[in-house]
Amino acid sequence: GAGVSQTPSNKVTEKGKYVELRCDPISGHTALYWYRQSLGQGPEFLIYFQGTGAADDSGLPNDRFFAVRPEGSVSTLKIQRTERGDSAVYLCASSEDSTYNSPLHFGNGTRLTVT
Amino acid sequence: RKEVEQDPGPFNVPEGATVAFNCTYSNSASQSFFWYRQDCRKEPKLLMSVYSSGNEDGRFTAQLNRASQYISLLIRDSKLSDSATYLCVVSMDSSYKLIFGSGTRLLVRP
Repeated sequence: GAGVSQTPSNKVTEKGKYVELRCDPISGHTALYWYRQSLGQGPEFLIYFQGTGAADDSGLPNDRFFAVRPEGSVSTLKIQRTERGDSAVYLCASSEDSTYNSPLHFGNGTRLTVT
Repeated sequence: RKEVEQDPGPFNVPEGATVAFNCTYSNSASQSFFWYRQDCRKEPKLLMSVYSSGNEDGRFTAQLNRASQYISLLIRDSKLSDSATYLCVVSMDSSYKLIFGSGTRLLVRP
């Protein structure tokens, strides 16, 4: 079946611009996560949705970052006034629910480059 | 100090070799433990969960030492296709918030 889909796969933007990254989770998965992976590092937690609501946004680095999941399926990560330090691969993952027995399925990521 | 620490490697081994990776974690409240595999420019994929009693999946064996707060992964009879980065992952509770190490890179040569 279809896995987690992320678009675009690559995004190059200029410093100060606004970007939106989209995630389409596996159908029926109620839990959705955003992680960020910088070069040579492991993924770093950003935000978690259970259904439509953000259950935990403690990983968002600052108020330039915001994410929504209005219908409990597709999610959009929004970054305002991008900075060069925002350059990274943004990974989305989904799972059936948020328990230990429900493994995360990651998308292939959006590689964001801020010039 | 990082919450999850791994030797970045690379570990360069011949086909058929046995190789072991260790990982340490700083928070004694950690409850769930995993190894993920990540190929170059690909997404991380769950390799195996790690249980207190240790567990095995084919050529892969994972061990957990709670007293010393470290996790290990042993790969026997290495294959070329095992070349990847192996990420050690912990969770503070039984749910979602995974904390990843920076990964250990494995290169298996012919």
